[in-house]
Amino acid sequence: AQTVTQSQPEMSVQEAETVTLSCTYDTSESDYYLFWYKQPPSRQMILVIRQEAYKQQNATENRFSVNFQKAAKSFSLKISDSQLGDAAMYFCAYRSANFGNEKLTFGTGTRLTIIP
Amino acid sequence: DVKVTQSSRYLVKRTGEKVFLECVQDMDHENMFWYRQDPGLGLRLIYFSYDVKMKEKGDIPEGYSVSREKKERFSLILESASTNQTSMYLCASSTLIGSRGQYFGPGTRLTVT
Repeated sequence: AQTVTQSQPEMSVQEAETVTLSCTYDTSESDYYLFWYKQPPSRQMILVIRQEAYKQQNATENRFSVNFQKAAKSFSLKISDSQLGDAAMYFCAYRSANFGNEKLTFGTGTRLTIIP
Repeated sequence: DVKVTQSSRYLVKRTGEKVFLECVQDMDHENMFWYRQDPGLGLRLIYFSYDVKMKEKGDIPEGYSVSREKKERFSLILESASTNQTSMYLCASSTLIGSRGQYFGPGTRLTVT
């Protein structure tokens, strides 16, 4: 069974600075997808960024980027130029690429605080 | 944009009551999911469905059942609510294209007293 570990329950960063959230996972599969989700306080969970394991290039979405290290089974999220609206719980998630295996396995989350 | 809606944002029920949580998605997604979210535990999958009338147990199905009579609607049922089922319940849906991830509803915070 796959597991996802987020070892930082809480992080904080000064506004406009850069922060990196860590995620490691364990799997015996070679093809899979990885995701970072954001859950603002009392608001809906939204997808921030995704990475396909077969792609070597790290995904980037505006101020959000990932450092995907397949051999190390590491998938960290970097937020550049942090903004007050980035304050949220961030969840790392894993999904097998095998057809029929649709479930996501989530980490326990990292609560990110932005300091004005 | 995909829209996933849940019938209630907040719900308070008594121990032993039968509870229905409803979820509707408007994008013709094949897959639908029910999770519960608890502090320090992340999201844990209760049940999911990959087609009408089909269901699969997730990691924590005990005490829950589900129903999917129409493609757009997925219901979570607590047959006899207990206090340890007090939690945030999240519904999600997805297509068969795995790389697109899942789309979540706003959640239902259920309190069982």
